[in-house]
Amino acid sequence: DTGVSQDPRHKITKRGQNVTFRCDPISEHNRLYWYRQTLGQGPEFLTYFQNEAQLEKSRLLSDRFSAERPKGSFSTLEIQRTEQGDSAMYLCASSEPIGYTFGSGTRLTVV
Amino acid sequence: AQKITQTQPGMFVQEKEAVTLDCTYDTSDPSYGLFWYKQPSSGEMIFLIYQGSYDQQNATEGRYSLNFQKARKSANLVISASQLGDSAMYFCAMRDSKNEKLTFGTGTRLTIIP
Repeated sequence: DTGVSQDPRHKITKRGQNVTFRCDPISEHNRLYWYRQTLGQGPEFLTYFQNEAQLEKSRLLSDRFSAERPKGSFSTLEIQRTEQGDSAMYLCASSEPIGYTFGSGTRLTVV
Repeated sequence: AQKITQTQPGMFVQEKEAVTLDCTYDTSDPSYGLFWYKQPSSGEMIFLIYQGSYDQQNATEGRYSLNFQKARKSANLVISASQLGDSAMYFCAMRDSKNEKLTFGTGTRLTIIP
């Protein structure tokens, strides 16, 4: 296990389409986080899981966004009816009590 | 509410010189942690260094050190003997005891000049 994996690395989609991203955390980490990063900004928190339980959601996570972590392993982030404003880098991280390890992110472009 | 401020949008530094990246923070929680991450153009956030609010000494990790001034609420990153590979975005982040999430600043783009 070499780190946090995210798939795909890049996604181009037409406005109105649904997209789903996957994150595979470090296997022994029970906390998993999703962040969104727009151009020129730092990452912003979206949601986090402890094992399979989704414990916190940001108000940035509109009803078009849904995240799951079945069985407390990998996680998916789905965006329905994508809008141009959803274009961003979506970063996943998993953590031990102190440290956070990030994946390489999925760059979404909505055209 | 937590807030991180990075006032330097960009910096240019000659190779082999030391560089200081500024970070100030705001929180009402006495227990918090401060992080620095490096983000190259590939997009991955690479952890550099961590400082806990109760740590007595400034954190160091190789060429990275954190100049922690608690009374001023600042946590500046110092990179010694800069290298061309240090060119990247650098983000300061904080987590306090009430939140699991990290709050990030807007970052500083560091460019090392040969």
